[in-house]
Amino acid sequence: DVKVTQSSRYLVKRTGEKVFLECVQDMDHENMFWYRQDPGLGLRLIYFSYDVKMKEKGDIPEGYSVSREKKERFSLILESASTNQTSMYLCASSSRQGRNTIYFGEGSWLTVV
Amino acid sequence: AQKITQTQPGMFVQEKEAVTLDCTYDTSDPSYGLFWYKQPSSGEMIFLIYQGSYDQQNATEGRYSLNFQKARKSANLVISASQLGDSAMYFCAMTFSGGYNKLIFGAGTRLAVHP
Repeated sequence: DVKVTQSSRYLVKRTGEKVFLECVQDMDHENMFWYRQDPGLGLRLIYFSYDVKMKEKGDIPEGYSVSREKKERFSLILESASTNQTSMYLCASSSRQGRNTIYFGEGSWLTVV
Repeated sequence: AQKITQTQPGMFVQEKEAVTLDCTYDTSDPSYGLFWYKQPSSGEMIFLIYQGSYDQQNATEGRYSLNFQKARKSANLVISASQLGDSAMYFCAMTFSGGYNKLIFGAGTRLAVHP
């Protein structure tokens, strides 16, 4: 069974803390994505990666960075968390071939206080 | 630029009835894919149905069907025989050629199924 695993479901962090959200996939997918979900806005792409060590900005990269040192792992980093980064974060992965090959993790609910 | 519009923030339907969730899209790319996802309160994104832009027939998956009207750039989701477990957020999304399978999402529609 295909699997995208996000390391933490619920996190509470303090303003200014460095936050790591980890995502691991077991499908040997080339592409990995981080989305942010807010009410009324749907999901918005923060960053994506199409290969190891390769990354591209999405629509809302400000305040975030990413790391992809291994094919199966894609990390989202909040260098200095702020309250406006309180949100639900979803990781996804897909193969390079075929459109209908996109799988999501269960989501991470981050609260910054 | 690609865009997805879902104009219904909330919908309700009686159990066992059919319901249509609206989705329109905007793209100049001739090759694209359209998706519907269900998100229950637990937060996971559940894939429901996919339609490719070159697919001649409307996609169907069990109780879900996608009413694809290419000229109108519309991709409505029809859920037949609604069940209480269908209560959730529903997102329409698209991918486009050369986009690495990045998904562009609509704002979502919250569906409530009443007994």
